[in-house]
Amino acid sequence: GENVEQHPSTLSVQEGDSAVIKCTYSDSASNYFPWYKQELGKRPQLIIDIRSNVGEKKDQRIAVTLNKTAKHFSLHITETQPEDSAVYFCAAPTVDSNYQLIWGAGTKLIIKP
Amino acid sequence: EAGVVQSPRYKIIEKKQPVAFWCNPISGHNTLYWYRQNLGQGPELLIRYENEEAVDDSQLPKDRFSAERLKGVDSTLKIQPAELGDSAVYLCASSVRWREVGQETQYFGPGTRLLVL
Repeated sequence: GENVEQHPSTLSVQEGDSAVIKCTYSDSASNYFPWYKQELGKRPQLIIDIRSNVGEKKDQRIAVTLNKTAKHFSLHITETQPEDSAVYFCAAPTVDSNYQLIWGAGTKLIIKP
Repeated sequence: EAGVVQSPRYKIIEKKQPVAFWCNPISGHNTLYWYRQNLGQGPELLIRYENEEAVDDSQLPKDRFSAERLKGVDSTLKIQPAELGDSAVYLCASSVRWREVGQETQYFGPGTRLLVL
């Protein structure tokens, strides 16, 4: 079955700098890779996703890159702001279980003023 | 549009007591998920429904957990009896399958924070 590993578990960056979070997956048949943001005490919300037929997708200050050969995908946040502080989760579907999403353990992003 | 609704938001019970959580998904969403989220971890799927059918309950501890989704809308998750290790946030999510399987956006409810003493 699918295994999704996410690094780092905690990331602290200066406001205005960039942040990068990386996830690796094991199921080569996975074809969809979403990123969710969970602010403290709130529900997870989708912020960006990418399908396996593209290598990169951007939405303003956030971007996701996918390397299917190496089986990893990354979330990039540029010009970080205080409101970016949250826990970020990656996920990938496992074909074995009818495309059930397997979630990473999360990265706590701290934006230092 | 109203989001996913869950109740209660918080629940404190003593071990061996029963507890139930309720979820009302977004209108028109045929897929409903129950997740358990422990502190510092990602969501762990307990059960997934397609309409009223449970299509994936392999990770539901069936000796003490049960769930139902009558009429393919609201859902209830029950724990009986609760154990100390059940303390966690229980999240409900819903989605509508209108494109490729496994690529639908999941919309989460606010969760129920359970503390078992």
